Amino acid sequence: QVQLVQSGAELRKPAASVRVSCKASGYSFTDYHIHWLRQAPGQGLQWMGRINPNSGGIDYAQKFQGRVTMTRDTSITTAYMELSRLTSDDTAIYYCARGMTTVSSGAHFDYWGQGALVTVSS
Amino acid sequence: IQMTQSPSSLSASVGDRVTITCRASENIFTYLNWYQQKIGKAPKVLIYAASSLQSGVPSRFSGSGSGTDFTLTISSLQSEDFATYYCGQSYATPYTFGQGTKLEIK
Repeated sequence: QVQLVQSGAELRKPAASVRVSCKASGYSFTDYHIHWLRQAPGQGLQWMGRINPNSGGIDYAQKFQGRVTMTRDTSITTAYMELSRLTSDDTAIYYCARGMTTVSSGAHFDYWGQGALVTVSS
Repeated sequence: IQMTQSPSSLSASVGDRVTITCRASENIFTYLNWYQQKIGKAPKVLIYAASSLQSGVPSRFSGSGSGTDFTLTISSLQSEDFATYYCGQSYATPYTFGQGTKLEIK
């Protein structure tokens, strides 16, 4: 069965960086994009960007350009999202999700990781 | 692309028919998806491409619309449907979502 398993909760100080991992299993890792989204406490969903595990191609939301780096290691079917220069506004649950693309829907997110809480506090 | 959902919250009873609406700030054709999120859990896709039912999702969920106006309908609410619902557009990056509709028990 398809699974995305994320790394655990992290606590960081302001200005630090954090890296969250997303281990994929149960499908061909290079056939589907991995998307990263976040959800601040009590708030809605925010798309951060995506990576094509086959080519390594990336597409970041402009809001995070310059602060986010998405990578992947195909040998261990794992995607990574690193966010730098953290502030308290970055406190959120970070999700990875598999992007299923159809002609009529673009990408919808059919499998999600369990989420990783990142807390930024001095 | 801005996505606006209404209502932001809704109280309903088991067995009720419920409709949630979502409006896009520009034409997104049918590039619209609906997600359900329960407390402490990751979102789950219900409807993709505006009206296609995701595999395994009960048929009481349905979606309609195209262009800028969309609806999610639950034909007969069950207790497990009380959750927060989000619409999301996948027409253009950055993909964006509505602010959510919290469906509560009356």
